[in-house]
Amino acid sequence: EAEVAQSPRYKITEKSQAVAFWCDPISGHATLYWYRQILGQGPELLVQFQDESVVDDSQLPKDRFSAERLKGVDSTLKIQPAELGDSAMYLCASSLERTGGQYFGAGTRLSVL
Amino acid sequence: AQSVAQPEDQVNVAEGNPLTVKCTYSVSGNPYLFWYVQYPNRGLQFLLKYITGDNLVKGSYGFEAEFNKSQTSFHLKKPSALVSDSALYFCAVRDMLAKGGATNKLIFGTGTLLAVQP
Repeated sequence: EAEVAQSPRYKITEKSQAVAFWCDPISGHATLYWYRQILGQGPELLVQFQDESVVDDSQLPKDRFSAERLKGVDSTLKIQPAELGDSAMYLCASSLERTGGQYFGAGTRLSVL
Repeated sequence: AQSVAQPEDQVNVAEGNPLTVKCTYSVSGNPYLFWYVQYPNRGLQFLLKYITGDNLVKGSYGFEAEFNKSQTSFHLKKPSALVSDSALYFCAVRDMLAKGGATNKLIFGTGTLLAVQP
């Protein structure tokens, strides 16, 4: 069964460092999402791509977070500089179309020290 | 604004007994509702969804959910719980654009931890 791939699974970094997460969606899925899940809470959408275009980044802290999906396939989420409050699970999801069911990857757990 | 509420942080049930995980929603217009399950250190797995039609929705792993418009609820159920069902369960609703169109942004509840005792 096709899966959404994410790497790394775990990342430990120090405050003020830069970190990057990678996501490869299910083949053929045009829509890609990045969610942040703080411990004890549900996931919150950070950014949604349709192909290579951003369609919703209203909850993305743009002063330190950036996301790209240059060729409309895989995607990178970057944080620079990382802050203590960024410690969370970062989940990537994809869907076949803009309103289709979302399939989630295993996530990247970030710890900022 | 769209929202869902999961009133129970944890639900405990004995193996073989029926289980219910509660979810209530607040939306403008017709709701698109979902249930996801999350195992430790794993991503979310889709269980089932309600968009329209029959109020009783059947999903993966023997789970089902009942949509109740008058009570604005979408409770997750299973007739006989398994120890392997122990996990974190999230209810979610699809957000709506201000003009009534659908985005694909999911708004999640805070999650309910299901613990099934052998």
